[in-house]
Parts: sequence; C-alpha cells; structure tokens
Amino acid sequence: KNQVEQSPQSLIILEGKNCTLQCNYTVSPFSNLRWYKQDTGRGPVSLTIMTFSENTKSNGRYTATLDADTKQSSLHITASQLSDSASYICVVSANQAGTALIFGKGTTLSVSS
Amino acid sequence: NAGVTQTPKFRVLKTGQSMTLLCAQDMNHEYMYWYRQDPGMGLRLIHYSVGEGTTAKGEVPDGYNVSRLKKQNFLLGLESAAPSQTSVYFCASMGPQGAGETQYFGPGTRLLVL
Repeated sequence: KNQVEQSPQSLIILEGKNCTLQCNYTVSPFSNLRWYKQDTGRGPVSLTIMTFSENTKSNGRYTATLDADTKQSSLHITASQLSDSASYICVVSANQAGTALIFGKGTTLSVSS
Repeated sequence: NAGVTQTPKFRVLKTGQSMTLLCAQDMNHEYMYWYRQDPGMGLRLIHYSVGEGTTAKGEVPDGYNVSRLKKQNFLLGLESAAPSQTSVYFCASMGPQGAGETQYFGPGTRLLVL
C-alpha cells in the first residue's frame, strides 16, 4: 500500500533555532516528492519539488533532501522565525500527471519567542 | 492574478440538502483537483480533471459529483449532504507538465453538515 509517514507529529522550537522534519514513504512507482507548508486556516503552499535524480533542493531557509534508495526525505529549516509556525506536509507523486499524490498527515511546527 | 479562488468560504447545511462548491483559476492550468482535509488525516483526493470536459474519480468520490465545463472552473457538487461530509474542501490546479509543476491550492471551503 502506498503510504507517506511523517515524524515527528508535532514539534516546538525556540525562534532562531534549526529543526529537521522527516518523511518516509512506500510509494511505487515514484515520480517526485513535494513539501508543502500549510498555515492554519489556509491552503497548502508548495516549498520544494524533487524528482528521482535530485537529492537536495533549497527554497530560502528551507532545504529538502531526498534519498531515493532508502525512500526517505527531510526538510531542514534554518534560523526559524515565528512565521514558520505551520503544518509541513510531505507529498509523494506516483505519476507525472499529479493524479496520484499521496499526502502525509503533516508535522505541526510551533516556533516560540 | 488571483491564483485559485473558492466560493463559498464557509457553509452550514442540513442533512439531505444539496450545494455546489466553485473553484476558479486564472493560470490557464489543465489539471484541477478537489480534496478534503479532515483532522488527523492527510488530504484525500475526491475528483480531478486533466482538462476541460474531462473528470475522473479520486480516492474518496462517493457522495460527490464534479463538472469541468470551462477550463478555468471546476465545480464540486453534493447532491444529498451527510454529516460525514463535514470537512474542509480544497481545490488545487497544476500546469500541464506534470512532474515538475507546482500545485496551487485555494484557501479552502469549510463545510458543516448538521
């Protein structure tokens, strides 16, 4: 069964600190892996998209890594800000059309001052 | 450029009532999707469309119908609402290239079925 598992479920960090969120998947075939940020009461916003051949991609203070051999991805947030408080969702696509996107349940990050 | 918009933002229905959720995008995207998001669960695909005039079932299509008469609009219908359809509904769109394309989401519609 295609599944995307994220850990931890929730995380609290102090402003300015770094953190890493984990994503493990059992999706086949594999087309790409996406990370989304979802603020409370808003729709998800795309942070990064990585295909099989890419093992790292950055978007500002967000850096995603992908190990296609172990089927693991991580999202590293550097120098966290209060505005980083959100749910971070890992999504794996099983086809190029985007019609087989398997969503993780998300990691809820709270950044406190 | 408004991106993806959804109407209404919030709605309360009684069991058995019907309603239509409207999604509109101004990015000329081919692919459009309807998802529902429930507490403790990931987003689940209800229906999707790969182009004007085409629709297909997703993971949880029962109780919903869709139409894509115009490229920019994707409608989600509930013919006879049930309390189990209480959820937050998100529409999304994506360009035609698939793998490397960014998926854009609307702000969501919160539906409460009593």
